[in-house]
Amino acid sequence: QVQLVQSGAEVKKPGASVKVSCQSSGYTFTSYGISWVRQAPGQGLEWMGWISAYNGNTVYAQNLQGRVTMTTDTSTSTAYMEVRSLRSDDTAVYYCARGPYYFSSKNYYSGDYWGQGTLVTVSS
Amino acid sequence: QSVLTQPPSVSGAPGQRVTISCTGSSSNIGGVYDVHWYQQLPGTAPKLLIFGNNNRPSGVPDRFSGSKSGTSASLAITGLQAEDEAGYYCQSYDSSLSGSVFGGGTKLTVL
Repeated sequence: QVQLVQSGAEVKKPGASVKVSCQSSGYTFTSYGISWVRQAPGQGLEWMGWISAYNGNTVYAQNLQGRVTMTTDTSTSTAYMEVRSLRSDDTAVYYCARGPYYFSSKNYYSGDYWGQGTLVTVSS
Repeated sequence: QSVLTQPPSVSGAPGQRVTISCTGSSSNIGGVYDVHWYQQLPGTAPKLLIFGNNNRPSGVPDRFSGSKSGTSASLAITGLQAEDEAGYYCQSYDSSLSGSVFGGGTKLTVL
């Protein structure tokens, strides 16, 4: 069965970086992409971006450009999402999801299978 | 403030029909971009409910349906059940932002 398992909770200080992992199993990793979505406490969903597990192409949310990097390791079927220069408003649960193989603006959606979420707390 | 506007809350009694709206503009829903819907039960990850405006993934009951017209989309839930109590989010693409966007979310309460 398809599973996406994320790394554990993190506590970081403002200005630091965090890297969240998302290990996939139960399907051919390079036949899909990985989307990342975050949710601040008590708030709605925020789309962060998408990466192709086939060739590493990325699409990032404009407001995160320059601070976020998404990568994949096909040898371990693992996706990574790094956020740099953390601020208090980056405190959120970060989710990965199995996304489409390629990014088409017409019909892109985040994903059909989701990880369990990783809480990242940014606090001094 | 999301570019896709949803009502903060809706409610209905068991067995009733409820709809959740998602209102956008010409740069997103009103364009050529599809709308998708997610259900999020408390404390859990979102679940894909509708993709491509009106398509249900395998396993999603046909009590859930989606539609799109002009700059708006709607999610309809018929035969409301207690287990439907959750948050619901729409998603589409916005050409002005050059990225995907979510609506602000709607909390469904089953009375």
